Amino acid sequence: NAGVMQNPRHLVRRRGQEARLRCSPMKGHSHVYWYRQLPEEGLKFMVYLQKENIIDESGMPKERFSAEFPKEGPSILRIQQVVRGDSAAYFCASSLGGGAYEQYFGPGTRLTVT
Amino acid sequence: SQQGEEDPQALSIQEGENATMNCSYKTSINNLQWYRQNSGRGLVHLILIRSNEREKHSGRLRVTLDTSKKSSSLLITASRAADTASYFCATRAQGGSEKLVFGKGMKLTVNP
Repeated sequence: NAGVMQNPRHLVRRRGQEARLRCSPMKGHSHVYWYRQLPEEGLKFMVYLQKENIIDESGMPKERFSAEFPKEGPSILRIQQVVRGDSAAYFCASSLGGGAYEQYFGPGTRLTVT
Repeated sequence: SQQGEEDPQALSIQEGENATMNCSYKTSINNLQWYRQNSGRGLVHLILIRSNEREKHSGRLRVTLDTSKKSSSLLITASRAADTASYFCATRAQGGSEKLVFGKGMKLTVNP
């Protein structure tokens, strides 16, 4: 049973470009979470999705960031018009159900904005 | 704001010694989870303890939870060089969002 998959592992974008980060949850998991980690910091929650639904986006910046988890295919975190401050590691986690279950994390995507 | 705060922020010990990390949090929780992160890598789930549990064991790991003090501790016994990593506690609030709220982490170095 493959774990949570994220791609790409490293992504370099120039200021103003778009970044698309993909996450495939563990088999059988229908709950996906996105977190961001700045250097030397803990992870900060961004968004929680179930298939075709955004359940909690309280940690998402109001502009430029969006997330989806379609019926088929991976979850996508999209950052439009990236700025240097978006440089961070973005982690996706999946779980079998809501909060009583463990969240299993992917290896992360390291975004560098030049 | 950070919910969990690990203490100490950094710890350096010799192989074979025990390592204890503490985590304090602010609000009522449903559960508390400990994760390990090797440098530049993803997070590995170590253990989950529910609010109605006081102690849990997994191999060389022992976790305690004191909800009256809003604190938890992670004990790693007979440490190994491979335990060198950052350790994070994360809490899920009671009756609220499904999100985990992480502390800033604690860097453990185990010297061979």
